[in-house]
Amino acid sequence: DGGITQSPKYLFRKEGQNVTLSCEQNLNHDAMYWYRQDPGQGLRLIYYSQIVNDFQKGDIAEGYSVSREKKESFPLTVTSAQKNPTAFYLCASRRQSSNEKLFFGSGTQLSVL
Amino acid sequence: AQSVTQLGSHVSVSEGALVLLRCNYSSSVPPYLFWYVQYPNQGLQLLLKYTSAATLVKGINGFEAEFKKSETSFHLTKPSAHMSDAAEYFCAVSDPGNTGKLIFGQGTTLQVKP
Repeated sequence: DGGITQSPKYLFRKEGQNVTLSCEQNLNHDAMYWYRQDPGQGLRLIYYSQIVNDFQKGDIAEGYSVSREKKESFPLTVTSAQKNPTAFYLCASRRQSSNEKLFFGSGTQLSVL
Repeated sequence: AQSVTQLGSHVSVSEGALVLLRCNYSSSVPPYLFWYVQYPNQGLQLLLKYTSAATLVKGINGFEAEFKKSETSFHLTKPSAHMSDAAEYFCAVSDPGNTGKLIFGQGTTLQVKP
């Protein structure tokens, strides 16, 4: 089945530690996105990539980093510079057109120990 | 800049009653508009989208939404609520620069009472 796979489903971070969230898609989509979800705040865009080896900052990129070495993969690293990382993280992808829908993964819940 | 406002963070209806979730948008160009639903601890699923064709858009699970340019609104409705409709609903507008970015509202949690 085609889709987006996020792993792990739950992740715990110790203070000062970097952690990486995985996002893989087999939909042959060009564009991929990372959103952060906090209760009552909707979804906020962290980073996005429209093509391999290229990515842009979203609205809340500070404390995060990404890479796009392969079309199907878009991992997100939450660095120690992100002081409030506890949130639900959603990865999404879509074909390249502004009226195309986003396909979402099932999310990763990140918590701080 | 584009933005989306969802009026009411929580809406409660009785089973069988009309569901109305409100969404207003701000956009300098004709928008593409979306409604997504999220069940607990899951990703988002598309309910419906408006892309400048018919102003009344029908989606999955009996939901529909009407695009009203004069009111800059895209409210989501369902004639008769079902217990399984209890979830969080997000309205979103597409960035006009073809980056594919969606700008989301803050979400509305729908509670359905038996």
